[in-house]
Amino acid sequence: DTEVTQTPKHLVMGMTNKKSLKCEQHMGHRAMYWYKQKAKKPPELMFVYSYEKLSINESVPSRFSPECPNSSLLNLHLHALQPEDSALYLCASSQGLKWTGGTYGYTFGSGTRLTVV
Amino acid sequence: AQRVTQPEKLLSVFKGAPVELKCNYSYSGSPELFWYVQYSRQRLQLLLRHISRESIKGFTADLNKGETSFHLKKPFAQEEDSAMYYCALGGTASKLTFGTGTRLQVTL
Repeated sequence: DTEVTQTPKHLVMGMTNKKSLKCEQHMGHRAMYWYKQKAKKPPELMFVYSYEKLSINESVPSRFSPECPNSSLLNLHLHALQPEDSALYLCASSQGLKWTGGTYGYTFGSGTRLTVV
Repeated sequence: AQRVTQPEKLLSVFKGAPVELKCNYSYSGSPELFWYVQYSRQRLQLLLRHISRESIKGFTADLNKGETSFHLKKPFAQEEDSAMYYCALGGTASKLTFGTGTRLQVTL
């Protein structure tokens, strides 16, 4: 299995809802990431997990709450979102954060397209 | 701070013509550069890593530290090359920073 799987593919939620995005990989990768991509813009890093521990939080608002329950799973819990949070949320994984030969390339999931109404 | 600049939003070329997608970076450490490609309705895929000096789908990219560039080149464009191309810089703690992307349009 060489893929990163994200569910759901599409999600519409109200501003008072609580929902979760799920990301799964079975490649033995120990680093996992959440990115946010707005239309016609590049992906922007939100969170980095390394060995199930939060390594980087790019000053993301607390209405986004990441969770890494095990080495294969990464969740993003959503609560009280705003319409401007509507975007494509991408999950990625890599073998590790860094090795002497250079940074590992990422494997990206196909994303969850989130619409906040 | 790490920054990636892709000056062209859109590059339109004829089939069979050479292609060069420009990428410049700014980073104080030793840079690790990548090219990612996103075909229509598909996920973002790794195309090239500078560390491996490979050629994928006829594309090559050379890291020029003097000019802080990592331009993507292909001698003869094909229709199937039409896609969005992102240059990315791997820096602190594997934080991957993307450029704004260049849409390559190959026409007959």
